[in-house]
Amino acid sequence: KQEVTQIPAALSVPEGENLVLNCSFTDSAIYNLQWFRQDPGKGLTSLLLIQSSQREQTSGRLNASLDKSSGRSTLYIAASQPGDSATYLCAAPPLDGNQFYFGTGTSLTVIP
Amino acid sequence: DAGVIQSPRHEVTEMGQEVTLRCKPISGHNSLFWYRQTMMRGLELLIYFNNNVPIDDSGMPEDRFSAKMPNASFSTLKIQPSEPRDSAVYFCASSLDGGLLTEAFFGQGTRLTVV
Repeated sequence: KQEVTQIPAALSVPEGENLVLNCSFTDSAIYNLQWFRQDPGKGLTSLLLIQSSQREQTSGRLNASLDKSSGRSTLYIAASQPGDSATYLCAAPPLDGNQFYFGTGTSLTVIP
Repeated sequence: DAGVIQSPRHEVTEMGQEVTLRCKPISGHNSLFWYRQTMMRGLELLIYFNNNVPIDDSGMPEDRFSAKMPNASFSTLKIQPSEPRDSAVYFCASSLDGGLLTEAFFGQGTRLTVV
């Protein structure tokens, strides 16, 4: 079974700081890797999807990288803003499975 | 498209009662997932449909849980009888053909409280 781990579990940074969230997975044979954002009491919003053949994806201030060989992905957030405060989850569906295996998330707080 | 629509948003019920959660996937998506989220266990897949057919229901915790997808635009998750330990947020998600190849879009969830 795919195991997905996210470090750190919680992160608090001052506004304007650049930051990196980490995601590691045990089964590197994956369809893709997706990063999601979840605001308190809300559903998950897809941020970035990296196909298994890609190394990175960018959307605005967000950049996600994928290293399948080491079973790792990082989400880089540039010039953080208070509105970025949320829980960020990654999901890595394995080729021999039927589901998105989620990490437990990183709770991010950006302090004004 | 309005996205994945779930109803109700909140449900409070007494132990032993039947609970039905509803989901309308994004039009054109033919993969649908039901997840449960708790603080202790995070997001857990309950069941996965592809083209209205249940593909994997190994995550359904007990026979008290059942799910149907009578057509491409509607799915239900039923708990009968409900128990306090079923209290959680239940999410429905959908994606395009290929199931796991494309982005998954989640609904806002149904927060279930069983007292």
